Amino acid sequence: DVKVTQSSRYLVKRTGEKVFLECVQDMDHENMFWYRQDPGLGLRLIYFSYDVKMKEKGDIPEGYSVSREKKERFSLILESASTNQTSMYLCASSFLRQGLPYEQYFGPGTRLTVT
Amino acid sequence: QQQVKQSPQSLIVQKGGISIINCAYENTAFDYFPWYQQFPGKGPALLIAIRPDVSEKKEGRFTISFNKSAKQFSLHIMDSQPGDSATYFCAADYNQGGKLIFGQGTELSVKP
Repeated sequence: DVKVTQSSRYLVKRTGEKVFLECVQDMDHENMFWYRQDPGLGLRLIYFSYDVKMKEKGDIPEGYSVSREKKERFSLILESASTNQTSMYLCASSFLRQGLPYEQYFGPGTRLTVT
Repeated sequence: QQQVKQSPQSLIVQKGGISIINCAYENTAFDYFPWYQQFPGKGPALLIAIRPDVSEKKEGRFTISFNKSAKQFSLHIMDSQPGDSATYFCAADYNQGGKLIFGQGTELSVKP
């Protein structure tokens, strides 16, 4: 059974703090993704990685960075948290190449509040 | 720029009724259209998916209808049940790149 775990379910941080969100998957997936989920806006891709130390910007990378030092772990970093980064953050993983239908497997999410 | 537009944002259906959620896309290079289902407190999970070489895909009570010329696709949930109450996302991808573009989501509530 595929498992994607995220380090925290709920997180409260102050404006200006550096925030780390951790994601771990146990299926040896090459691809890993970070999304934010906001009502009415759906899931928006922040960054993704298709290999260790590789990363590509998604649709909304501003204010975020990522790190992938090991295949199973993908971290999202908010260098200086701001109130407009209050959101639900979802991590996902998938194989690099696979037949159809392919699936991204999601973690349960981290609800981040920046005050 | 939103490449996949989903409607309605919320939907209330009586038990036993048909739920219909619509999506429209712009990029004709898209060649894979999945639907994800998300229950409260959980991450989204793949529900059903279709490729544009077929017009319909059915799995149990869930059906995707696809209209390539109109660049639209929809999810139909037949005999809707309270357990179907969830948020549904359509999505699109091309070249099996794994990078999905998601719609805005539809919050479905099925009343008993």
